[in-house]
Amino acid sequence: AQSVTQPDIHITVSEGASLELRCNYSYGATPYLFWYVQSPGQGLQLLLKYFSGDTLVQGIKGFEAEFKRSQSSFNLRKPSVHWSDAAEYFCAVGPPTTSGTYKYIFGTGTRLKVLA
Amino acid sequence: SAVISQKPSRDICQRGTSLTIQCQVDSQVTMMFWYRQQPGQSLTLIATANQGSEATYESGFVIDKFPISRPNLTFSTLTVSNLSPEDSSIYLCSAIGWVGDTQYFGPGTRLTVL
Repeated sequence: AQSVTQPDIHITVSEGASLELRCNYSYGATPYLFWYVQSPGQGLQLLLKYFSGDTLVQGIKGFEAEFKRSQSSFNLRKPSVHWSDAAEYFCAVGPPTTSGTYKYIFGTGTRLKVLA
Repeated sequence: SAVISQKPSRDICQRGTSLTIQCQVDSQVTMMFWYRQQPGQSLTLIATANQGSEATYESGFVIDKFPISRPNLTFSTLTVSNLSPEDSSIYLCSAIGWVGDTQYFGPGTRLTVL
């Protein structure tokens, strides 16, 4: 069965500390991989995406993610967290465009709290 | 990337009434979707809005409760009918552009049913 797991429901870090949010997936083929961020009362904003090639991808707001095929993981990282990063983060997988389908599967989200 | 707007941004409705949410994209897109996000939950796909034909609904969602229109390549509406407090959620519109590789989201509509 296809699924996305974000094992950490809540994470609290101090401002300036490093951050890693975990994402594991189960999918028949190598999917497209995404991280979205949702600030309180807002929609989802795309942080970064991976389709192929270099397994370390850079996104907006200083975020990066690394695809590890052997571990079926796509963890999100940031070297120094800012208070404005407090939000909910969703990992998602989607089918390659060649598949003819477009249904994404979302993880349950990780809520990030940043301490001043 | 596509820029997506939704109206209204929030609403408070009475039980038994209906709410129609509008979704406008700033460019022509291939696919448009509607999601529900219940309080503290992840996103659940309601349906795919098909241009010029009936929407494709996911399991557990029916046209009578969630009628959807998509008259052209940039606009769609979702109606939530016969409202009950259980319908209180954020409803999100999303779209995929012609390249077809990334889904972009609107800001959401926060619905509260009393």
